[in-house]
Amino acid sequence: NAGVMQNPRHLVRRRGQEARLRCSPMKGHSHVYWYRQLPEEGLKFMVYLQKENIIDESGMPKERFSAEFPKEGPSILRIQQVVRGDSAAYFCASSRERNADTQYFGPGTRLTVL
Amino acid sequence: AQSVSQHNHHVILSEAASLELGCNYSYGGTVNLFWYVQYPGQHLQLLLKYFSGDPLVKGIKGFEAEFIKSKFSFNLRKPSVQWSDTAEYFCAVSPFGNEKLTFGTGTRLTIIP
Repeated sequence: NAGVMQNPRHLVRRRGQEARLRCSPMKGHSHVYWYRQLPEEGLKFMVYLQKENIIDESGMPKERFSAEFPKEGPSILRIQQVVRGDSAAYFCASSRERNADTQYFGPGTRLTVL
Repeated sequence: AQSVSQHNHHVILSEAASLELGCNYSYGGTVNLFWYVQYPGQHLQLLLKYFSGDPLVKGIKGFEAEFIKSKFSFNLRKPSVQWSDTAEYFCAVSPFGNEKLTFGTGTRLTIIP
């Protein structure tokens, strides 16, 4: 049973470009969570999605950031017009149920904005 | 909003030494508590979790943690560390019934052979 997959593992973008981060949850998991880890900080919750629905986006920046989890395919975290402050590690986690005992984490995508 | 504090940023120990990593949280209601570990080059893995019941929780690889409600603490312990325990350790909390995890800044543990 494959774990949570994230790609790319490393992404370099110039200021003003778009970044797309992908997350494939574990088989049988329909709940996806995105977290961001800024340098020298702990992981911070961004958004929680179920298939085709955003359940909680209270941690998402108000502008430039969006997330989706379509019926088919991976969950996508999209950052438009990236700025240097977006440089961080972005982690995805998945769970089988909403109140799951635990969330299983992917390896993360490290975004560097030049 | 909840918050998590891990006061030890970097801990260096010799093999066979005993370990205790501090974790304090701030939240007024019932919480679920977790310790995650990230080995070099690997992704976050769950070490142990507390939901209810016995406040002394045992996890994988000989780790345990004790939930002390009056102190809002959930410290991680291991009686005798090994070189392979070198990793970064994160404490996390979620409000009961809520999926949103809040993590501490992590503690880097280095074990000297």
